[in-house]
Amino acid sequence: GQNIDQPTEMTATEGAIVQINCTYQTSGFNGLFWYQQHAGEAPTFLSYNVLDGLEEKGRFSSFLSRSKGYSYLLLKELQMKDSASYLCAVKGQAGTALIFGKGTTLSVSS
Amino acid sequence: EPEVTQTPSHQVTQMGQEVILRCVPISNHLYFYWYRQILGQKVEFLVSFYNNEISEKSEIFDDQFSVERPDGSNFTLKIRSTKLEDSAMYFCASSETGQPPYEQYFGPGTRLTVT
Repeated sequence: GQNIDQPTEMTATEGAIVQINCTYQTSGFNGLFWYQQHAGEAPTFLSYNVLDGLEEKGRFSSFLSRSKGYSYLLLKELQMKDSASYLCAVKGQAGTALIFGKGTTLSVSS
Repeated sequence: EPEVTQTPSHQVTQMGQEVILRCVPISNHLYFYWYRQILGQKVEFLVSFYNNEISEKSEIFDDQFSVERPDGSNFTLKIRSTKLEDSAMYFCASSETGQPPYEQYFGPGTRLTVT
């Protein structure tokens, strides 16, 4: 089976750092993605990890441990506009489909 | 910046009616996808399309669904006889290749409401 788990909700304050965790169990693995989705809008690509380690892109970083089936998205210097859902998605070994988790709704307050 | 476009933005239909959702993928992309998201739930994969044929489909994509690339730019999803449970946001996505990083660009979605 395929299972992707992430917390349902998180809250943080402007300027802070937040880490959103994702664990996965999938049949095959060909990369882990993080997408951002504002309410009522389409998901937008944030990051991609296929090898173990940390990928940094501006205020956002993503980490992957394949042996543990674990990833996290790290958001630094939080801004109000970062309030959104953050979706963890895995690409299985076969095919091109993305399997999404339920998403983590992040609320940033001032 | 190139983007995926979808029409209509909102479609209301009666149960049992056929609907066609339209998408224009990014022009140099070769892989096309449909996903759906029922309100408050996760994004679910429906189907992927490459080289004018379905390359992968999920259990959701049953005989009521079909996809087509009728010309060089459009990519459509047809639901033959809609059910109440088909009410959802339908996202089209495209990617340049099947090779890493496989980034899929999503369109703004069509909200389908079945009454």
